[in-house]
Amino acid sequence: QVQLQESGPGLVKPSETLSLTCTVSGGSISTYYWSWIRQPPGKGLEWIGYIYYSGSPTYIPSLKSRVTISVDTSRNHLSLRLTSVTAADTAVYYCARPMASGDYTAWSQWGQGILVTVSS
Amino acid sequence: EIVLTQSPATLSLSPGERATLSCRASQSVSTYLAWYQQKPGQAPRLLIYDASNRATGIPARFSGSGSGTDFALTISSLEPEDFAVYYCQQRSNWPWTFGQGTEVEVK
Repeated sequence: QVQLQESGPGLVKPSETLSLTCTVSGGSISTYYWSWIRQPPGKGLEWIGYIYYSGSPTYIPSLKSRVTISVDTSRNHLSLRLTSVTAADTAVYYCARPMASGDYTAWSQWGQGILVTVSS
Repeated sequence: EIVLTQSPATLSLSPGERATLSCRASQSVSTYLAWYQQKPGQAPRLLIYDASNRATGIPARFSGSGSGTDFALTISSLEPEDFAVYYCQQRSNWPWTFGQGTEVEVK
């Protein structure tokens, strides 16, 4: 059973860069699509972007100028980088994978999430 | 961007009762709609994908229906562990979007 685990700093200063890693265990990162989704405290969910393990990422327009999603197949992990953060970027960040390889229909595998707070 | 509107915001029911949650899209999403359950402090859990397909391991009391702009999630008989927040999500057009959620609470 594949497991996803987000890691990274829990506190980031305004204007700095948020960097997170999603480590994949119990399965290969290859042949799958991967996503980052976030949820501000007490609010709803927002899909940040997705990437096929060997392809180019797709980002939501509102974050496109600040976000980078990448896959490292040698380390079997997914990364998220968000520059020039503000308090509005405070959220729980999740990585996720669909049920089937080569498909982005059913996003059934999620990490536990990591809370990142933007504050000085 | 497609806006998903869920109703009601809160549903107050007792265990054993039937729950019907609604999700309306601002434009057609065909059947590219999923439903998730989220409990406090936990990641969302996929229940239904492509409007009516139950994800692996999801009990048969959960069912999804609809197409185009109007969708429903039905829980036939609420179990204690079903009290949670439910989100719909569309993947018809990028950016994929979620509804604002419906909380199913104990009456």
